[in-house]
Amino acid sequence: DVKVTQSSRYLVKRTGEKVFLECVQDMDHENMFWYRQDPGLGLRLIYFSYDVKMKEKGDIPEGYSVSREKKERFSLILESASTNQTSMYLCASSVSGTGGAYQETQYFGPGTRLLVL
Amino acid sequence: AQKITQTQPGMFVQEKEAVTLDCTYDTSDQSYGLFWYKQPSSGEMIFLIYQGSYDEQNATEGRYSLNFQKARKSANLVISASQLGDSAMYFCAMSPDLNYGGSQGNLIFGKGTKLSVKP
Repeated sequence: DVKVTQSSRYLVKRTGEKVFLECVQDMDHENMFWYRQDPGLGLRLIYFSYDVKMKEKGDIPEGYSVSREKKERFSLILESASTNQTSMYLCASSVSGTGGAYQETQYFGPGTRLLVL
Repeated sequence: AQKITQTQPGMFVQEKEAVTLDCTYDTSDQSYGLFWYKQPSSGEMIFLIYQGSYDEQNATEGRYSLNFQKARKSANLVISASQLGDSAMYFCAMSPDLNYGGSQGNLIFGKGTKLSVKP
């Protein structure tokens, strides 16, 4: 079974703090993703990575950065947390497409509920 | 623009009955993938089922089946014999054609349907 883990289920931080959200997958997947989920706005892609040290911006990258130093680990960094970054953060991973026309299934972690005060 | 529409914000179903959750999609791609995910109150997004646009048979996975009607651009999820543990949010999602500008990261989600199973 695919297993995607996230470092924290719940996190409370202060405005201006630097926040690290860690995600680890154990299935040797090439692709990893960070989303945030907000009521009424659905899931929005922040960043994704298709290989070690590679990253691409998603729909809402502002205020975030990412790091992928090892294949199994993908970190989301909030350089200076703000209250509008209070949200549910979901990490996902997938294998790279095997030459097919569309991407493979994304498997998600349990999520981190971040509250910024 | 590519879009997923789930018109049912909330639904109720009696335990042991079948329920259909609606999903329509809008795309001009020839190739695409369709996915359904379940999100319980705990927050984790659980993959349920997948259908490729060229698959001729409707996908099935245990009590889940996907009623794929390509001409109508619909991909409804059918849950048979509902259980109390099926109460959750359900999301339909689509992967666009990677050969025509689609991105590996570009999984398009609907707004979701909240299913409540009554005992």
